[in-house]
Order: sequence, then structure tokens, then C-alpha cells
Amino acid sequence: NAGVTQTPKFQVLKTGQSMTLQCAQDMNHNSMYWYRQDPGMGLRLIYYSASEGTTDKGEVPNGYNVSRLNKREFSLRLESAAPSQTSVYFCASSRSSGANVLTFGAGSRLTVL
Amino acid sequence: GQQVMQIPQYQHVQEGEDFTTYCNSSTTLSNIQWYKQRPGGHPVFLIQLVKSGEVKKQKRLTFQFGEAKKNSSLHITATQTTDVGTYFCSNSNSGYALNFGKGTSLLVTP
Repeated sequence: NAGVTQTPKFQVLKTGQSMTLQCAQDMNHNSMYWYRQDPGMGLRLIYYSASEGTTDKGEVPNGYNVSRLNKREFSLRLESAAPSQTSVYFCASSRSSGANVLTFGAGSRLTVL
Repeated sequence: GQQVMQIPQYQHVQEGEDFTTYCNSSTTLSNIQWYKQRPGGHPVFLIQLVKSGEVKKQKRLTFQFGEAKKNSSLHITATQTTDVGTYFCSNSNSGYALNFGKGTSLLVTP
């Protein structure tokens, strides 16, 4: 049982390049989330999807787009990467949007030069 | 959303010493969760507290929710090197997604 799988684990981009972080869960969870983690800042919510077909902005959505491709997959896209987007990105899922037990993926470390 | 503040930001203890981290809010919380993140790892759910004054234990870890539901604490008795990591509290924001505190990083020296 893989849980939440994120790809890639590491990525280096140049300013202005685009990329997509992929996330898939095999727990039949309804809700999925993207957080970013920066030193001293904790985990900040970028976007979430309460259920298949819906997405909503979190605390720090600027510069990002998301797609809930199906119930399993939730991708995060950076259209024009900036150095301020250098961070560790975590995808998470939960049984529902009201459930507070999140299962996190292993994280994706992104560096923008 | 409801913001939670964690103190201290860092704590360094000798193995065998006790450790406590606090999570505080200026407003009443409907619930609070605690997560642990090992160095280089991802956050892992530890526990959820919902009731006023609730106390839960997991082996050497004791979690408390304040009577006014504005604060919570995580206490570790007789720390071990395996306790190293960052401990986060969180609470749900209108039931949609979790807001996390900035975490307390614990270092345990053998």
C-alpha cells in the first residue's frame, strides 16, 4: 500500500521555466492538498481539493495552478518558476475535507535558480 | 483562519530529560492535531484532541487540550534520540483544510 506518492523527489529549475508536480493516492480519499514548507515557516497551504472536481485556494496560491485529474491524482503546476518558489512541496490526502488526519507524501524538493 | 502559535521554536535536551511544546491560539479552537516530522521526512499524524480538558497518552507522549480550548501541549517524558524531529500542531480552518503552526524542533543529545 503506497499511500501518497509524489514525483519528482528533486528538481532544479531556472527562473521562468515551468513544471508540474504529480501526486497520487491509493487510499480512496476524497480530499487532497498541496503544502509548501520553508525554514521557520511551517507548512503553508497552497491549494486544496475537497472532492473530485473541485479546487480552492489556500494561504499562498499565487504563482501556482492545480488540477484534480481524478479522485486519485492532484497535480501542482508552476507556470513560470521564481526563486521565491524554492521550497519543499508536500502533497497530502484525507478521507474527507472535514477529516483532520492527513497522510502526507514524501515531499518534492524544488530549487529555482 | 485560526492561527496557532507554537513555542518554543527550538529545544535541545539531553537524552532522558523531559520536553514540552505548547500550541496557543487567541480564539477558541474546535479541535487540534499534532504531527511529527523526522529530519528529512514528512509529517506524520500523531493525535487529535477535540474535547475541553482532554488528555491523551501514547507511551511517553502526553497530549493535553486546555479547558478553554485555546491551547494545547505535547509533553515527552524521558526523551530518547528517536524523539528527534519537528512537532507541529494544527487545527481545521472552517472544516476544509488544516492550518499548521510553525513547529517546535527537538534535538536530543545522547
